[in-house]
Amino acid sequence: QKEVEQDPGPLSVPEGAIVSLNCTYSNSAFQYFMWYRQYSRKGPELLMYTYSSGNKEDGRFTAQVDKSSKYISLFIRDSQPSDSATYLCAMSDVDKLIFGTGTRLQVFP
Amino acid sequence: GAGVSQSPSNKVTEKGKDVELRCDPISGHTALYWYRQSLGQGLEFLIYFQGNSAPDKSGLPSDRFSAERTGGSVSTLTIQRTQQEDSAVYLCASSFGDSPLHFGNGTRLTVT
Repeated sequence: QKEVEQDPGPLSVPEGAIVSLNCTYSNSAFQYFMWYRQYSRKGPELLMYTYSSGNKEDGRFTAQVDKSSKYISLFIRDSQPSDSATYLCAMSDVDKLIFGTGTRLQVFP
Repeated sequence: GAGVSQSPSNKVTEKGKDVELRCDPISGHTALYWYRQSLGQGLEFLIYFQGNSAPDKSGLPSDRFSAERTGGSVSTLTIQRTQQEDSAVYLCASSFGDSPLHFGNGTRLTVT
């Protein structure tokens, strides 16, 4: 079993939809949780960063962490075609950072 | 300011040749990471440098892979006797303290 599981998609939604991206994990030592966005032929860029259970909001993006269920989510409201990218979850304990395989999102006009 | 810079952006090499990939981290970042990203796969950790400490090489897939970081700044990842399975995007990232990683755009390596 992988330490971090992420549905690879692809996920295709119409513009304006609410998107939910999810990851589950098995290592209860993970303390820091991140979402990265990766456009084609670019490096991943940090989107959201949190180290506690609960919700964190930044504009149209909300990151949710449920440590009791070992489950994290990224919600995108009013999705735009420019949101089309691969979204990678990542989490770490003190020593190591583990990435999910990424979910490919396509938002069509 | 400038982000993480990687060169070359693309590299095509013949099987059996050696290649060197370069990473310039963000100025002042003490930690530097190399990851490999294959099609449909997540980011695979390769090696981690933190300041003057001995690097964590636990992710290097074979002894054909090595990396060094000179003067606590620029890093070079070397792959000797390349194989077709080495074809992937090699990503470098840097960070400072507990801050999240900042990635470069990667080097796309194709071994023919």
